[in-house]
Amino acid sequence: GENVEQHPSTLSVQEGDSAVIKCTYSDSASNYFPWYKQELGKRPQLIIDIRSNVGEKKDQRIAVTLNKTAKHFSLHITETQPEDSAVYFCAAGGSQGNLIFGKGTKLSVKP
Amino acid sequence: NAGVMQNPRHLVRRRGQEARLRCSPMKGHSHVYWYRQLPEEGLKFMVYLQKENIIDESGMPKERFSAEFPKEGPSILRIQQVVRGDSAAYFCASSLIGGISTDTQYFGPGTRLTVL
Repeated sequence: GENVEQHPSTLSVQEGDSAVIKCTYSDSASNYFPWYKQELGKRPQLIIDIRSNVGEKKDQRIAVTLNKTAKHFSLHITETQPEDSAVYFCAAGGSQGNLIFGKGTKLSVKP
Repeated sequence: NAGVMQNPRHLVRRRGQEARLRCSPMKGHSHVYWYRQLPEEGLKFMVYLQKENIIDESGMPKERFSAEFPKEGPSILRIQQVVRGDSAAYFCASSLIGGISTDTQYFGPGTRLTVL
C-alpha cells in the first residue's frame, strides 16, 4: 500500500543551526506534499506545502524541496529557534485525496 | 472566521460504551477527513467524506466504526462497543476542494478518547 518514510525520528540542534528532515513516498500518483508542525497536545498546523509542478518552495526560514523522480522531499529550517521545537510530520497526498503521513520527527532546539 | 471545530475535546468511556465524535469543517469546506493518532505516532487516515457521501473509507476498521457527514450539521465519527485499544486522539480536517488534486487540509483541535 501507500507509504511515507520519514527520517530522522529525533533531531537535536543548537539554536541558530539548520535542521533537515527527509521523506520518501511510494505512490507515484502523489502530487501534493505538506509539512505539519505539532506541539504537544495541540493540532497539526500546516507550515509549508509543495505541489508536484515545482521543485522548491521557500517561506522565510522554512524551505521544502521535491524530487519527483526519486520520490523524495525534504524540509529545511534555517536559523533554528527554541520555539521551533515540536514534532514535524511530512505527508503525501494520496490518489483518493487523503494524506499519508510519515511517523514524525521530534525536533529539539537547544538554546 | 472559525477554523475546524471538534467536540468534545476530551471523552472518557468505559469498555463497551459508544463514543460519538463531532467535527464542524471550516466555513465553505465540504470535504472532511478523519485521522487517528496513537501516542508518540503519526496520523493514520481513517475516512474521507463529502456531504452525504463516503468517498474513501479504506482506513476504517471493518467493525464498530462508522462515519457520516449529513446535509445539515457536523460530521460524526461513531465508535460502538469501545475497547481500550481505541484510546487515541482523533483529528478531523477539512478542505475546500478534494479528490486527486489534493487541497490543503486544515486540522481541528482533536478529541482525546480514553477508554477505561
